[in-house]
Amino acid sequence: GAGVSQSPRYKVAKRGQDVALRCDPISGHVSLFWYQQALGQGPEFLTYFQNEAQLDKSGLPSDRFFAERPEGSVSTLKIQRTQQEDSAVYLCASSFQVATNEKLFFGSGTQLSVL
Amino acid sequence: GQQLNQSPQSMFIQEGEDVSMNCTSSSIFNTWLWYKQDPGEGPVLLIALYKAGELTSNGRLTAQFGITRKDSFLNISASIPSDVGIYFCAGQLNAGRRALTFGSGTRLQVQP
Repeated sequence: GAGVSQSPRYKVAKRGQDVALRCDPISGHVSLFWYQQALGQGPEFLTYFQNEAQLDKSGLPSDRFFAERPEGSVSTLKIQRTQQEDSAVYLCASSFQVATNEKLFFGSGTQLSVL
Repeated sequence: GQQLNQSPQSMFIQEGEDVSMNCTSSSIFNTWLWYKQDPGEGPVLLIALYKAGELTSNGRLTAQFGITRKDSFLNISASIPSDVGIYFCAGQLNAGRRALTFGSGTRLQVQP
């Protein structure tokens, strides 16, 4: 499809496990964002990439969270030693350019449940 | 944490009624955006506002960027069943920072 693709769609992890969430942005999109959405809340910003450069990681809640985009296209969000409070939907979004008013396209998210 | 106060939290209306929801903040925002999120999907942009006082329409939707730059409202006229969903306001604090701050959402239910 032509949209932002995220996988897996659902992930169940035992507390303490490491997880990796994948985002395939729309082809050619320069900017890529990760957001965390807790149940019943709005999305909260985690991190932002422009091509392969991670320009803003101020929203990452702890050093257990790590994101990369090594070739400027696909991105992976990794959470180490997962905890119950990490349970949320993780949304990826991309935009074509870097202009601040550029429209964001969101994926359907990965729902992470930590038991 | 969230810096935007969105209200109401939920609304249950009859088909054909008009709807209004709003967002306020203690911070000045550079841009205001309104999104709709359906279950199991990511948010979809409805309207974007870039100037204080700006009033913008998109079909049955109308949104305004408050003159103080600390608030915005969204109106939906003549609601239909497919308007059901969660509506989020979002703001961008300044042009140099791409991150958006989202409100906690307004859940809209429409009775046919």
